Amino acid sequence: DAGVIQSPRHEVTEMGQEVTLRCKPISGHDYLFWYRQTMMRGLELLIYFNNNVPIDDSGMPEDRFSAKMPNASFSTLKIQPSEPRDSAVYFCASSLSGPGGGNYGYTFGSGTRLTVV
Amino acid sequence: GENVEQHPSTLSVQEGDSAVIKCTYSDSASNYFPWYKQELGKRPQLIIDIRSNVGEKKDQRIAVTLNKTAKHFSLHITETQPEDSAVYFCAASGGGADGLTFGKGTHLIIQP
Repeated sequence: DAGVIQSPRHEVTEMGQEVTLRCKPISGHDYLFWYRQTMMRGLELLIYFNNNVPIDDSGMPEDRFSAKMPNASFSTLKIQPSEPRDSAVYFCASSLSGPGGGNYGYTFGSGTRLTVV
Repeated sequence: GENVEQHPSTLSVQEGDSAVIKCTYSDSASNYFPWYKQELGKRPQLIIDIRSNVGEKKDQRIAVTLNKTAKHFSLHITETQPEDSAVYFCAASGGGADGLTFGKGTHLIIQP
């Protein structure tokens, strides 16, 4: 398995533009997570899906952020309009349900480094 | 929600010595505690994890201990090597929340 695949690796965009980040989870994993990493705030959970259904989006900073998972092998995180404070590394991760509840085997993608100028 | 505190933020040890990183968590229902290593510019990678029904787990030079009563868990690295230099993150999840809550990270520096 190629692991969790994210694209693009780097994105530079102008303030006000729409940005779309993409993620392909590990085949068979039923959880997908979007995280944001900055020096100031560390790793923050934005939203996660279970079996393609959004479960908790309480970490999404504001309405400018949206995420979808149309099928088990693809998810997008969209920022519209983008602002300089959105500059960060965005990671996608996937995992498996564990017996008796919970999940395990979290695997991160390589991340997308977003710069909004 | 869950809150994870991690200490120290920076740890410098001599090559060959041991390193210990400590974390505390707030939600007593949490039941899964992984540790990640992140090298500069790369993704966090799982190095070891522990579930709440286990008190200690070892994998070669790395061990994790968990004290559920005190709500803290620790990472122990023995015989440290230069390639151990990285940022280490602890995390916790469970109790109805499936996403990981991360500590702020510890920058481990191995001095030659």
